[in-house]
Amino acid sequence: SQQGEEDPQALSIQEGENATMNCSYKTSINNLQWYRQNSGRGLVHLILIRSNEREKHSGRLRVTLDTSKKSSSLLITASRAADTASYFCATGRMDSSYKLIFGSGTRLLVRP
Amino acid sequence: DVKVTQSSRYLVKRTGEKVFLECVQDMDHENMFWYRQDPGLGLRLIYFSYDVKMKEKGDIPEGYSVSREKKERFSLILESASTNQTSMYLCASSLLQTGVRETQYFGPGTRLLVL
Repeated sequence: SQQGEEDPQALSIQEGENATMNCSYKTSINNLQWYRQNSGRGLVHLILIRSNEREKHSGRLRVTLDTSKKSSSLLITASRAADTASYFCATGRMDSSYKLIFGSGTRLLVRP
Repeated sequence: DVKVTQSSRYLVKRTGEKVFLECVQDMDHENMFWYRQDPGLGLRLIYFSYDVKMKEKGDIPEGYSVSREKKERFSLILESASTNQTSMYLCASSLLQTGVRETQYFGPGTRLLVL
């Protein structure tokens, strides 16, 4: 499977609840990034966490990175209907210093 | 803010036509990328360019070519469009920084339908 696999594939929650998405990868990384995509639009960068960081916050977003388990999680707290989107993690490719591998994404639905 | 624009949001073409998709970025980024996105397959890299007139094949270059004559513009060309090239095409750009996978900035996408 590809580097950067998200889990679950789809998630449906009520507004106000927290949403957690996970990403697993296979090889060594220097950073891991999370992107968001609204339906039919381009991807928007959310947050980047470096390999020497364990946790990072940005507003209602919290990202963790466990390099020993080769996994990351994205937590969205107090979700809103506007958070409905697909979320992708991206990691670097070993054959290139600037190419990224994107997974298939997690589709998040936040019900009002 | 970085802005990446794509020439069309929606495009309908006939099989066999030559199709040009254009992408322009305004942040002086060295790297530019073309991806296609299909349901269940995520983003797949078609081509990328790390400098003017420089290009490198991605994972699925067959049936496509690219052109980068100016730093800010990266064009994707479908030499002879086929129905299996119906997809969402996304352009992105990033800074060139060796050893660090920098943030990529995406355009809004072009949804191409080949009939």
